[in-house]
This record gives sequence, structure tokens and C-alpha cells, in this order.
Amino acid sequence: DAKTTQPNSMESNEEEPVHLPCNHSTISGTDYIHWYRQLPSQGPEYVIHGLTSNVNNRMASLAIAEDRKSSTLILHRATLRDAAVYYCILRALRNDYKLSFGAGTTVTVRA
Amino acid sequence: DAMVIQNPRYQVTQFGKPVTLSCSQTLNHNVMYWYQQKSSQAPKLLFHYYDKDFNNEADTPDNFQSRRPNTSFCFLDIRSPGLGDAAMYLCATSLLRDRGNEQYFGPGTRLTVT
Repeated sequence: DAKTTQPNSMESNEEEPVHLPCNHSTISGTDYIHWYRQLPSQGPEYVIHGLTSNVNNRMASLAIAEDRKSSTLILHRATLRDAAVYYCILRALRNDYKLSFGAGTTVTVRA
Repeated sequence: DAMVIQNPRYQVTQFGKPVTLSCSQTLNHNVMYWYQQKSSQAPKLLFHYYDKDFNNEADTPDNFQSRRPNTSFCFLDIRSPGLGDAAMYLCATSLLRDRGNEQYFGPGTRLTVT
């Protein structure tokens, strides 16, 4: 299965945008890109997903590179409640039910 | 609000003493999952139910079993807990099983083995 690579940690100031990169150079044409986050002492929470086109929802935006080998999750205005571990996950056609979590990026938001 | 509920939130059991964790959902989703998350690690899928069809992950130990008596409830049974089974156990649901479906997670049950 294709793997993802994320930075271990990122820091941001409150009310500033946060850009979280994810590399997935071995992605296949049918893999979906999903993002989840896990706040402290809580279960993971769905953030957004996409296949080829950029996606927006109330929580975030997902920018997907034209060659799909990387993507960026954008939190437009970070709040203290956005401090969490953010996971970039590829969901493949084979075993497509599966969320295979990697190490993720720990985001810290400074007041 | 529709949600995924896990009880209890904290469970302490003794080494070798069977324990059952429970999960219920009000989302009427077809699929229910159990994940294990050890300290400072990412969640790892143990198994899932698609309706009544049980699907075990290849590397899930036999010590872990599951039951889904109806759409709303799913149980995780650990037959003989070892110290290495101390972890957060997360239940999740999804409407369908495919890549386009998001999973909804409960708050987890933190299991301590003494």
C-alpha cells in the first residue's frame, strides 16, 4: 500500500493559517486522500478527503498537487481548539474500508 | 445528536481476567470498527463488521474477539488480557465500507491491566 510522509510537528499562532503538508509519491490513481485529526484524549475526527480536485468544507481546505504526489491540508484560521495530531491517510481500492494511520503531524497553536 | 458511544470510558482489569468493552451508535451505520491505540502510537484496526459479516485483520491476536448482536451495538471481548493489551480502544462507524465514506469515532475506552 502507498505510504504517506508528514512532518512530526508544526507550530502556529492563533488566527493564522496552518498549512500541513503530506507526501505520497507512490499514490495510485484510485487512492483517495483522507485527513483525520485527533484532539487530546478524544477519538479521531474526520476532516476532509479528496481524489484529484481541491476540496473545501467548513473545517478546512485540501489542496492536491496536479501529479497527486503530495497534498496540503489548510486550516484557514487556527484556534486553540485546532491543536491536535493530524493524520494524512491514503485509502486504496484494495482494502478500501481501511484507515491505516501513520505517525501524523502534531500541531501546536500558540495564543 | 447522532453519535458513537463507548462505555465505560475507563476500564481496569486484572491480568488474565476477561473484559468486555461496549460500543453503541445512533447513526444507523452498516459498518462498525474496533481500533487499538497504544500510548503515543497511531490507531490500528483490529477488525470490523459489515452488517453481520465479521472481518478480522490478519495480525489481530486470537485473544481479541467481537460480537455485534444488532445494528446499534458492538462489543470487544479480550479473553485473557495481558499487560501489553493496555491501550485506548476506539470504536468507529461508517455508513458504507468504501473509500469515499468517512468514519465516525467514539471517545474511546482506556483499558488498564494490573
